[in-house]
Amino acid sequence: DAKTTQPPSMDCAEGRAANLPCNHSTISGNEYVYWYRQIHSQGPQYIIHGLKNNETNEMASLIITEDRKSSTLILPHATLRDTAVYYCIVRPTNRDDKIIFGKGTRLHILP
Amino acid sequence: GAVVSQHPSRVICKSGTSVKIECRSLDFQATTMFWYRQFPKQSLMLMATSNEGSKATYEQGVEKDKFLINHASLTLSTLTVTSAHPEDSSFYICSAQDVGTFFGQGTRLTVV
Repeated sequence: DAKTTQPPSMDCAEGRAANLPCNHSTISGNEYVYWYRQIHSQGPQYIIHGLKNNETNEMASLIITEDRKSSTLILPHATLRDTAVYYCIVRPTNRDDKIIFGKGTRLHILP
Repeated sequence: GAVVSQHPSRVICKSGTSVKIECRSLDFQATTMFWYRQFPKQSLMLMATSNEGSKATYEQGVEKDKFLINHASLTLSTLTVTSAHPEDSSFYICSAQDVGTFFGQGTRLTVV
């Protein structure tokens, strides 16, 4: 079973920051938080991951709470192309470990 | 980043026939690949773990005799849907591990 909880859907106006929350209260000390997104009829795309520090890359920022029980993915300036289902996943560092997907958040970017 | 390629991207087959889907890691070697299935408006469901040179590990409820997985090389895993029926129509996605997990673009199977 997925170890994360996300809201089923969110709306965000184009050009604004999209903040997607994720709860992972049972996360273990050796588990990372990963974010993927899936645009309609495509395979999932990696966005970002982190262990306990906040992370930023060209796509997004990841804010992880100090107790690591929740996190927020931030898309700083959402565009229509960011409309997708966003999946928050916790997984250990073992690179061969399988990924179990939860239901994700369907993000709608409004023009 | 690393590239995982699936072929075909979409396929239509008649009920009762078998369909093979290929998953290739184009610029890295993958000892482990994963196969997922996704029905409309649902999340990805893990079907099996494909291990190079050994038998696949299937998730509970997935019929290993219906979904044959072969991982004969470090860059290729295949999923064969045998005796396909309309209820097998779905979006099938593979992934492979490099420095990170990379997903194929998916294969949409329609059984008529």
